[in-house]
Amino acid sequence: QSALTQPASVSGSPGQPIAISCTGTSNDVGGYNYVSWYQQHPGKAPKLMIYDVSNRPSGVSNRFSGSKSGNTASLTISGLQAEDEADYYCSSYTSSSTPYVFGTGTKVTVL
Amino acid sequence: EVQLVESGGGLVQPGGSLRLSCAASGFSFSTDWMSWVRQAPGKGLEWVANLNEDGSKKYYVDSVKGRFTISRDNAKNSLYLHMNSLRAEDTAVYYCARAFFRSFDYWGQGTLVTVSS
Repeated sequence: QSALTQPASVSGSPGQPIAISCTGTSNDVGGYNYVSWYQQHPGKAPKLMIYDVSNRPSGVSNRFSGSKSGNTASLTISGLQAEDEADYYCSSYTSSSTPYVFGTGTKVTVL
Repeated sequence: EVQLVESGGGLVQPGGSLRLSCAASGFSFSTDWMSWVRQAPGKGLEWVANLNEDGSKKYYVDSVKGRFTISRDNAKNSLYLHMNSLRAEDTAVYYCARAFFRSFDYWGQGTLVTVSS
């Protein structure tokens, strides 16, 4: 099971929107509505931001939203803020013998 | 407040063994699937293993099958990862995480495992 493909880095100015893509196959992203997104600040544990493609856990800002089209999922951050600077990882349930796979990770920089 | 606290990491020689523990509190541990996820230094996240509520169903990433064993003790609200035949590529921070639908909503702070001679 290969890691899902994410861009290595994405940047934007405060207040601007950015989007992070997460590309898999029909065996993972495309086959299930079980994509989740995690934010990780340096030296910290990951934090769940989106589950089941587009659902936000309680307490997560509504500036974060998720979507999916075919084998590609996306995380959009609207109104980028300084505290959004972090690494972001997608994850998907899979039909393989390894039930979960993470993405390669994207470093978000606020200019 | 939900808390997951890992322990048991450290330096071990290649071929050695280690047992990681994760102490859970603040939720009904016995009713949730639990997972281990690792992160090699400077690298991305990798799902390692999970098990169901009573420990009767266990799944592993291919690279650890036959070497790692996940288990739990619901009476002690604890999750474990028994690691044998350790390799340099197993060096990572190991996180325990609670399953939430098909995601992971609570994570511990992680424990570092270093495999080196």
